Amino acid sequence: EVQLLESGGGLVQPGGSLRLSCAASGFTLSTSAMSWVRQAPGKGLEWVSGISVGDGSTYYADSVKGRFTIARDNSKNTLYLQMNSLRAEDTAVYYCAKDLKAFDPWGQGTLVTVSS
Amino acid sequence: DIQMTQSPSTLSASVGDRVTITCRASQSISSWLAWYQQKPGKAPKLLIYKASSLESGVPSRFSGSGSGTEFTLTISSLQPDDFATYYCQRYNSFPYTFGQGTKLEIK
Repeated sequence: EVQLLESGGGLVQPGGSLRLSCAASGFTLSTSAMSWVRQAPGKGLEWVSGISVGDGSTYYADSVKGRFTIARDNSKNTLYLQMNSLRAEDTAVYYCAKDLKAFDPWGQGTLVTVSS
Repeated sequence: DIQMTQSPSTLSASVGDRVTITCRASQSISSWLAWYQQKPGKAPKLLIYKASSLESGVPSRFSGSGSGTEFTLTISSLQPDDFATYYCQRYNSFPYTFGQGTKLEIK
């Protein structure tokens, strides 16, 4: 069974950093495009970042470009999202998702709260 | 960037009703459109991909149609489990974009 499990969320001060992890099981991460999607409290879904299969090209929403970095460790079958210079507006549940025929499956999400 | 506009934002309906949600793209996205269902506190679930392909395990009362810039999600006969929020998403090119969501409420 294909599964994704996020971790690494928590409370961080504005300007701080956090690294989210997404552990994949049931498939080989290096053979799939992946994305991160976030959802602020009470709001809709926002695509944040993606990484392609093959050359591993990376893509970012304008709202996080220059601050967030997506990467994968094929040896650990894990996807990461390094988040720097965090702002209050980055507060959200962050989901990772397998990007094959659209996003499926999704992880259960991890909550990031940016607050002093 | 290509914008996705969903309507309505909220929809009140009864069990057994047929409902339709619309999603419009600001420019053509061919058939690169997906529909998701999300319940409170849960991750979204893929219902439809490639505009009209039903994801495995999704009940056949869900259907999708459209291409280019206009798309619809139809639920043929609402069941109690269907009351949730629905999102469309384009995935033809980065940055991927979601619609703002449609909350389907019990009338």
